[in-house]
Amino acid sequence: EAQVTQNPRYLITVTGKKLTVTCSQNMNHEYMSWYRQDPGLGLRQIYYSMNVEVTDKGDVPEGYKVSRKEKRNFPLILESPSPNQTSLYFCASRKGGRAYNEQFFGPGTRLTVL
Amino acid sequence: AQKVTQAQTEISVVEKEDVTLDCVYETRDTTYYLFWYKQPPSGELVFLIRRNSFDEQNEISGRYSWNFQKSTSSFNFTITASQVVDSAVYFCALSEANQAGTALIFGKGTTLSVSS
Repeated sequence: EAQVTQNPRYLITVTGKKLTVTCSQNMNHEYMSWYRQDPGLGLRQIYYSMNVEVTDKGDVPEGYKVSRKEKRNFPLILESPSPNQTSLYFCASRKGGRAYNEQFFGPGTRLTVL
Repeated sequence: AQKVTQAQTEISVVEKEDVTLDCVYETRDTTYYLFWYKQPPSGELVFLIRRNSFDEQNEISGRYSWNFQKSTSSFNFTITASQVVDSAVYFCALSEANQAGTALIFGKGTTLSVSS
């Protein structure tokens, strides 16, 4: 089944404790991205990757890091999480770099930073 | 700058009513793409439709229909004979062909509640 998977689905952590949210897709998509969803703000892009070893900032990159060492994986790293990073995070992938193609989203990771 | 506005924060209807969700967008690009996604209570994001800027044909898929009007920069979504299963948050989104990273720019969403 074609899908985007994320782990963990739920995470409660404390301020300053480094964490990684994994994202993997099995559709051989070149493009991957991370979004965060906050009440009243919709979804905003954090980082994106057009292909392996090619990443760039989205609209809200502060406090996050990403890497793209393999085509299928695109982990999101919070080096020192803070309470304002409490949010619902979605990973997405898309075929190619064209804006025309729809993005497929993972199930989401709900992160709480205390 | 690009922007998507969904002015309706919440809508409540009774089953079998028709409901229209509004979406207004702003872009300077001549080539762009509009999307609708559904987020049911379970939380996942489900792709519903894509429309490109050169295709103003309206589309119907079962009880769902979409009205794209470039003259008013709108891409509205109508559910006919709504059902309880239609209860969800609906997002309208824009992607521009010339934008670096071609991110999806989302509206803030409209929460639709359908009661029986």
